[in-house]
Amino acid sequence: AQTVTQSQPEMSVQEAETVTLSCTYDTSESDYYLFWYKQPPSRQMILVIRQEAYKQQNATENRFSVNFQKAAKSFSLKISDSQLGDAAMYFCAYRSLGGSNYKLTFGKGTLLTVNP
Amino acid sequence: DTAVSQTPKYLVTQMGNDKSIKCEQNLGHDTMYWYKQDSKKFLKIMFSYNNKELIINETVPNRFSPKSPDKAHLNLHINSLELGDSAVYFCASSSPLSGRVNEQFFGPGTRLTVL
Repeated sequence: AQTVTQSQPEMSVQEAETVTLSCTYDTSESDYYLFWYKQPPSRQMILVIRQEAYKQQNATENRFSVNFQKAAKSFSLKISDSQLGDAAMYFCAYRSLGGSNYKLTFGKGTLLTVNP
Repeated sequence: DTAVSQTPKYLVTQMGNDKSIKCEQNLGHDTMYWYKQDSKKFLKIMFSYNNKELIINETVPNRFSPKSPDKAHLNLHINSLELGDSAVYFCASSSPLSGRVNEQFFGPGTRLTVL
């Protein structure tokens, strides 16, 4: 079974600075998907960024980018120019590629605080 | 228009009661899910349905019974509620036909409190 580990329960960053959230995972599969979800206090789950394991290029979405290291099974999220609205719980998630097993396996989350 | 909706958003009930949470998606997706988020914010899959057929049942007590009357709906019925059932329950949907990397769209969550 796959597992996802987020080793930082809490992180803080100053507004306009850059912060990196860590995620490692364990799998025996060679192809899969990885995601970062954001959960603000409203509790809505919002997809931030996604990465297909077969793609070597790191995904980027505006101020959000990932550092995907397949061999190391690492998938960190970098938030540049942090804004107050980035304050939220961030979850790393894994999804298998094949079959009908489309479930997301989540890490335990990192609570990000943005200081003005 | 809301993509994935859940009702109710809050549910407070007594131990031993039976309750239902409804989920509807208007995205045309064929796969729907229920996730449970516990008090420590940990999210875990409970069930997955594809075209009204149960695909995943992650060792959930049989007091929990999902029902999918059609592809757009996946309801969750819980019998004999226990204190440990208190959590936020999220419904989600996705479509494998929408591309290789199909995003799961989440509902707003239902906060269940069992007293």
